[in-house]
Amino acid sequence: DAKTTQPTSMDCAEGRAANLPCNHSTISGNEYVYWYRQIHSQGPQYIIHGLKNNETNEMASLIITEDRKSSTLILPHATLRDTAVYYCIVRARSNDYKLSFGAGTTVTVRA
Amino acid sequence: GAVVSQHPSWVICKSGTSVKIECRSLDFQATTMFWYRQFPKQSLMLMATSNEGSKATYEQGVEKDKFLINHASLTLSTLTVTSAHPEDSSFYICSARGAQETQYFGPGTRLLVL
Repeated sequence: DAKTTQPTSMDCAEGRAANLPCNHSTISGNEYVYWYRQIHSQGPQYIIHGLKNNETNEMASLIITEDRKSSTLILPHATLRDTAVYYCIVRARSNDYKLSFGAGTTVTVRA
Repeated sequence: GAVVSQHPSWVICKSGTSVKIECRSLDFQATTMFWYRQFPKQSLMLMATSNEGSKATYEQGVEKDKFLINHASLTLSTLTVTSAHPEDSSFYICSARGAQETQYFGPGTRLLVL
């Protein structure tokens, strides 16, 4: 599976949109982009995933560039409860369904 | 939907004893479940893949005789840490493969071996 690069940390203001970048320049055509987050001392929570089209759900929006080499997770109105480590993961469509977690981005939402 | 539970949420045991952790998919069936381990200030590390009705597949460096995995039904997988030692103290997290090949994670089990 392709490697991803994310900033180590970022701060954002409560009520504002949080834009989390992820670079996956070696992604191949059959690989999905997944986003999870982990709030302190809890299991990871699924946020969203996509292949090549932009996706939106009740939690967030995922914007994937046309060349698929990078993506941005958008939390439209960040709240203090969105403070977490956010993981961008690339996973191939294969039979093993494994996820490889990197260091992620520590997002701190400030009042 | 797509809720995964783990039991217990935390456990303290003496060195040399065995500890069993249960992982259940509550509202969906999961032919594949995964077990991860997370040490403080580190990311999740996949330990093994558990397929219902067959033997688990372990990642390189994970001792299969120490971490026994059973996936006897479509909603339950168990991880048994045998002869636990202090270095096995960690946060153990399971996940289950649900719809659209997405993994849903349990809340984790914190193990402390004294």
